[in-house]
Amino acid sequence: GDSVTQMEGPVTLSEEAFLTINCTYTATGYPSLFWYVQYPGEGLQLLLKATKADDKGSNKGFEATYRKETTSFHLEKGSVQVSDSAVYFCALSPKGGGADGLTFGKGTHLIIQP
Amino acid sequence: EAGVAQSPRYKIIEKRQSVAFWCNPISGHATLYWYQQILGQGPKLLIQFQNNGVVDDSQLPKDRFSAERLKGVDSTLKIQPAKLEDSAVYLCASSLGGVDTQYFGPGTRLTVL
Repeated sequence: GDSVTQMEGPVTLSEEAFLTINCTYTATGYPSLFWYVQYPGEGLQLLLKATKADDKGSNKGFEATYRKETTSFHLEKGSVQVSDSAVYFCALSPKGGGADGLTFGKGTHLIIQP
Repeated sequence: EAGVAQSPRYKIIEKRQSVAFWCNPISGHATLYWYQQILGQGPKLLIQFQNNGVVDDSQLPKDRFSAERLKGVDSTLKIQPAKLEDSAVYLCASSLGGVDTQYFGPGTRLTVL
């Protein structure tokens, strides 16, 4: 079945460091890919998405590119802030478009130290 | 715009008891989802509704879990009887449908003792 694998956490970085959180997926067909973020004490929020190969999703300085050849959707940010501390989830929608139930990875806890 | 509302926020029960969670989606959202998030894992889809019809309940443990969305608006998820392994956060999400984003509620944290 469909699955998402993302790097284990916690990931601890200093402020202004470069961030990469790896995400790879297994799916049949052409899924849509998502990154969701959960800030402390808050619900899940969509951070960015990409619906087809080579699409780049971006938001709040974060970027991720849908790579079909490597089945990956790695999350990157050039300079992290303390306020980026949160749990990040990579997810896919099997049939594309996001109308289906999402399949999530286990989440990566990111800690940014001042 | 009001977000997805869920209640209660926290619930503690003994095993073999029953429990119910309520979700009110964003106004106008036709699609409603229930997810289970066990500590240290990502959310897992339990059931998806389109209006008041079930689209996908393949991962719902139907011997103990049930869900309904009778008027195509709010929804109730029930567990009867609860087991220790049901301890988790139960998330409700809604979307307009099609390619729209899923918006998540704050969740209900269930502890089964």
